Amino acid sequence: GDSVTQMEGPVTLSEEAFLTINCTYTATGYPSLFWYVQYPGEGLQLLLKATKADDKGSNKGFEATYRKETTSFHLEKGSVQVSDSAVYFCALLMNRDDKIIFGKGTRLHILP
Amino acid sequence: DTAVSQTPKYLVTQMGNDKSIKCEQNLGHDTMYWYKQDSKKFLKIMFSYNNKELIINETVPNRFSPKSPDKAHLNLHINSLELGDSAVYFCASSQSGTSGDYPTDTQYFGPGTRLTVL
Repeated sequence: GDSVTQMEGPVTLSEEAFLTINCTYTATGYPSLFWYVQYPGEGLQLLLKATKADDKGSNKGFEATYRKETTSFHLEKGSVQVSDSAVYFCALLMNRDDKIIFGKGTRLHILP
Repeated sequence: DTAVSQTPKYLVTQMGNDKSIKCEQNLGHDTMYWYKQDSKKFLKIMFSYNNKELIINETVPNRFSPKSPDKAHLNLHINSLELGDSAVYFCASSQSGTSGDYPTDTQYFGPGTRLTVL
């Protein structure tokens, strides 16, 4: 079935470091792809999305490109801040059943 | 060994009916949540409970009433269902606190309940 796999955390980086969180998916079809972020004590929030191959989603300095050939949607940021410390979830949505499937989440910890 | 389970998986009902969705977690977590996957397919939080106490209550109609009989269960009761209530509802759980330097409140999601109101 459809699934999402993302790198396990926690990921610990120093402030201003470059961030990559890997996400790959398995889907029989053409899903839409999302990154959600969960800040401490809060619910999930949509960070960015891409609805078709080669689309790039971006928000708050984060970017992810929908790569159909490698079935990937890796999250990147050039210079992380302490305030980026959170849990990041990769997710896919198959239009045929309109239900989001989440990865297990990656905790990011940024040191000042 | 299901961590967060929801029942039913699918629910089809008529407008005006009252229905409940049940959620159970066997992770020993102290916080549970309800999310709605809205018409734009994005998740929005509705409620969260910590140790059976309401913590987050976003702007949802008061036809929606969460009930937490114990820490392992958070049920969602919906009165007078409307067409716009059709959506997928996700339950989640987490454990508040820290493990070393890291907070441990990563949320684990259930498989979702697809509600269709006719």
